[in-house]
Amino acid sequence: NAGVTQTPKFQVLKTGQSMTLQCAQDMNHNSMYWYRQDPGMGLRLIYYSASEGTTDKGEVPNGYNVSRLNKREFSLRLESAAPSQTSVYFCASSYSQGAGGGELFFGEGSRLTVL
Amino acid sequence: LAKTTQPISMDSYEGQEVNITCSHNNIATNDYITWYQQFPSQGPRFIIQGYKTKVTNEVASLFIPADRKSSTLSLPRVSLSDTAVYYCPSYNDMRFGAGTRLTVKP
Repeated sequence: NAGVTQTPKFQVLKTGQSMTLQCAQDMNHNSMYWYRQDPGMGLRLIYYSASEGTTDKGEVPNGYNVSRLNKREFSLRLESAAPSQTSVYFCASSYSQGAGGGELFFGEGSRLTVL
Repeated sequence: LAKTTQPISMDSYEGQEVNITCSHNNIATNDYITWYQQFPSQGPRFIIQGYKTKVTNEVASLFIPADRKSSTLSLPRVSLSDTAVYYCPSYNDMRFGAGTRLTVKP
């Protein structure tokens, strides 16, 4: 069972470059999320998509854009990468968002370094 | 927005019971309390959820008082492999915070 798959697993960028992190889930979940985790820190919510066709900002959305391509896929884009965006990025999905929506299933993470 | 507060770190020894408490300010009436475990270089993994009173599964127990302003995750007889970071987000909030870093010593 694949669950939540993130690509790439590792990426090094130069300041100002752009890139897209891809996330796909095969559990027929309606809701998907992007988090970032800085060294020694907890997870902070960047954006989420409660259902196909909708996206909403989380705690730290500045510098990021997202696209809910279809029910399975939710991508995170950095238009002009900055060293402050060096982090591990986690994608997650759940049956639905909010109380009673079921647990979050996380991918293995994408480690991004911006030089 | 709901805000959770939990200790930054805890130490324990193998075979002991560990209780990690989380405070849940402003938790919504319809919201559930959840707990997750995260090992280094992995994404968090769901452990248990509850609304009120006590819930137990094969991994842990969760105690939630009637006022629902706090919750306590209980890990019976911990082993070295329970060393991890533990989070207590609520469903409506989806915010994990810094979590509690549990270190189990031999």
